[in-house]
Amino acid sequence: EPEVTQTPSHQVTQMGQEVILRCVPISNHLYFYWYRQILGQKVEFLVSFYNNEISEKSEIFDDQFSVERPDGSNFTLKIRSTKLEDSAMYFCASSFGTGGTGELFFGEGSRLTVL
Amino acid sequence: GQNIDQPTEMTATEGAIVQINCTYQTSGFNGLFWYQQHAGEAPTFLSYNVLDGLEEKGRFSSFLSRSKGYSYLLLKELQMKDSASYLCAVRDPPSGSARQLTFGSGTQLTVLP
Repeated sequence: EPEVTQTPSHQVTQMGQEVILRCVPISNHLYFYWYRQILGQKVEFLVSFYNNEISEKSEIFDDQFSVERPDGSNFTLKIRSTKLEDSAMYFCASSFGTGGTGELFFGEGSRLTVL
Repeated sequence: GQNIDQPTEMTATEGAIVQINCTYQTSGFNGLFWYQQHAGEAPTFLSYNVLDGLEEKGRFSSFLSRSKGYSYLLLKELQMKDSASYLCAVRDPPSGSARQLTFGSGTQLTVLP
C-alpha cells in the first residue's frame, strides 16, 4: 500500500540552527501539507502546497518557515533559525487532487527537539 | 474563526459500544473526518461525512448533522487495540483549491479489560 515517508524520524538541534525535514508524498497525489503537533496538544495546520506553490498557510507558518518541492518526489520543510517552541512532531501529509473523499494520508512524523 | 470541540477523555470496557461526540463552528464546511491516532504515531483515516446521516464502516460508524454542527463516531465491539486518541477534523477551506483539515484536540479513549 502506498505511503507517505518522512526523514529523519528524530532530529535534535541547537536553538538558532537550520533544520530541513523531508517527505516523500504518495506518488499520484497532488496536494501536500505540513502539520505539527506539540507534545500533548492538537494537530495544527502549517501549510498546504499545490501546483508548485503554497496554497494556504497558517499564522504559525511565519518567515522562519519555508517549503520546497525540489524534484518530482520530495517535499521539504525548512526552519531557518529554530526556537525552543519549535520542538514538536512534524507530520507531512498528501491527498488526491480531485475526486474521492480527499482524505489526508499522513507520514509517521519527524520529531524535532530544539535544545 | 474555527472551533471544534470534543471530550478530552473517555473510558469504556472491552466489547462495549462507545460514542465520541464532536461539535464544530466553522466559517465554511466541506466535509468532516475522523482520524485515529495511537500515541507517538501518525493519524490514520477512519471516516468521512459530507452529507447528513450515518456512514458505516465495519465496527466504526460516523454521523453528521450539518444544521447542528454535530458529528459522532460510534465504535462497536470495543477491543483493547482501540485505545487511542480520536480526532475530529473539518475541511473548511478558505479557497476552493485548498483541502487542508482543521483538527479538534482529540478524545483519548481508554478501553479496559
